[in-house]
Amino acid sequence: DVKVTQSSRYLVKRTGEKVFLECVQDMDHENMFWYRQDPGLGLRLIYFSYDVKMKEKGDIPEGYSVSREKKERFSLILESASTNQTSMYLCASRPGQGARDEKLFFGSGTQLSVL
Amino acid sequence: GNSVTQMEGPVTLSEEAFLTINCTYTATGYPSLFWYVQYPGEGLQLLLKATKADDKGSNKGFEATYRKETTSFHLEKGSVQVSDSAVYFCALRTSGSRLTFGEGTQLTVNP
Repeated sequence: DVKVTQSSRYLVKRTGEKVFLECVQDMDHENMFWYRQDPGLGLRLIYFSYDVKMKEKGDIPEGYSVSREKKERFSLILESASTNQTSMYLCASRPGQGARDEKLFFGSGTQLSVL
Repeated sequence: GNSVTQMEGPVTLSEEAFLTINCTYTATGYPSLFWYVQYPGEGLQLLLKATKADDKGSNKGFEATYRKETTSFHLEKGSVQVSDSAVYFCALRTSGSRLTFGEGTQLTVNP
């Protein structure tokens, strides 16, 4: 089974801190994604990456950046955390274009609280 | 742009009741449609999908039919169980790898 592992289940940070959320997948997937999940808003795409060192903005990239130095790892960075970034963050991965399986594989999520 | 609208939750049912969760979409082109489920404390996982008009996706007793004429992909199950309690997300994908998700519908099934 594909495993997508997020480094922390719960995280509490202070306003202004730099925050790193880490995600690792073990199935050699090309595509990786970061979403945030908020009640009533569903999942919103922050950033995604379709290859090492490649990244594209999603629907709500403001206040975030990402890093993909290795194929298996996709990091989400909050340069200066703010209270409105308190949310559940979900990482996902998927094989590359043309792959037979279209589905996304999700991690269990990181609940981030910014105080 | 693409968008997905789900019926508002939460939905509360008794065991063995019939379930419908409505989903309608707006998309350019011909999207693939998905239902994902999120059990408590877990990430999302794919429940079922349909890739073209009139296709029916099914899994674990759940079904959804891709209706191009009404741009809908409603989720149904004839007899729900307590273990079906979860959040259900409708989603679509056109070209590329990006999925667009709906707001999610919380389902609680009571014994």
